[in-house]
Amino acid sequence: DAGVIQSPRHEVTEMGQEVTLRCKPISGHNSLFWYRQTMMRGLELLIYFNNNVPIDDSGMPEDRFSAKMPNASFSTLKIQPSEPRDSAVYFCASSLGGTGTAFFGQGTRLTVV
Amino acid sequence: DQQVKQNSPSLSVQEGRISILNCDYTNSMFDYFLWYKKYPAEGPTFLISISSIKDKNEDGRFTVFLNKSAKHLSLHIVPSQPGDSAVYFCAARDNYGQNFVFGPGTRLSVLP
Repeated sequence: DAGVIQSPRHEVTEMGQEVTLRCKPISGHNSLFWYRQTMMRGLELLIYFNNNVPIDDSGMPEDRFSAKMPNASFSTLKIQPSEPRDSAVYFCASSLGGTGTAFFGQGTRLTVV
Repeated sequence: DQQVKQNSPSLSVQEGRISILNCDYTNSMFDYFLWYKKYPAEGPTFLISISSIKDKNEDGRFTVFLNKSAKHLSLHIVPSQPGDSAVYFCAARDNYGQNFVFGPGTRLSVLP
């Protein structure tokens, strides 16, 4: 298995633009997580899905952020409109519920100018 | 309110010596603990884990110790190698959900 795949690896966008980050979890995993890493807050959970259903989105910072998981092999995290303070590295991770280990993608480095 | 704490932002150790990274947690419902290693420009990679029913788990040079009464766990790396230089994250999961809560990380530098 190729592991968790995220795209793009890098994204530079102007303030106010819409940004969409993509994630393909490991095949067979039924839990998917979106994390954001910043210097100030470390790795913070934004949202996680179980069997394609959002379970906890309390970490989503504002209404500008939204996430979807239309099927077991794909998820998106959208920011609209983007702001400079959204600049961070966004990680997607997946796990097989019950086994306890989350596997991470390479991350998307987002820069909003 | 940080449920998983790593109070040392950084640690430097001489090659060949032992590295000890510490982690404290506040939620008594956590039942599974993990350590991840992260190199720059890469995602965190799973290193070792321990269930709350154990107090020690060993994998090669890496050993994790869990003290439930103190709500404390530690990662020991023996002997430390320059390639171990990375940021180490402690993470925990509770027995209700499948969410993973991460600590802020400790940057380990192993000096040759």
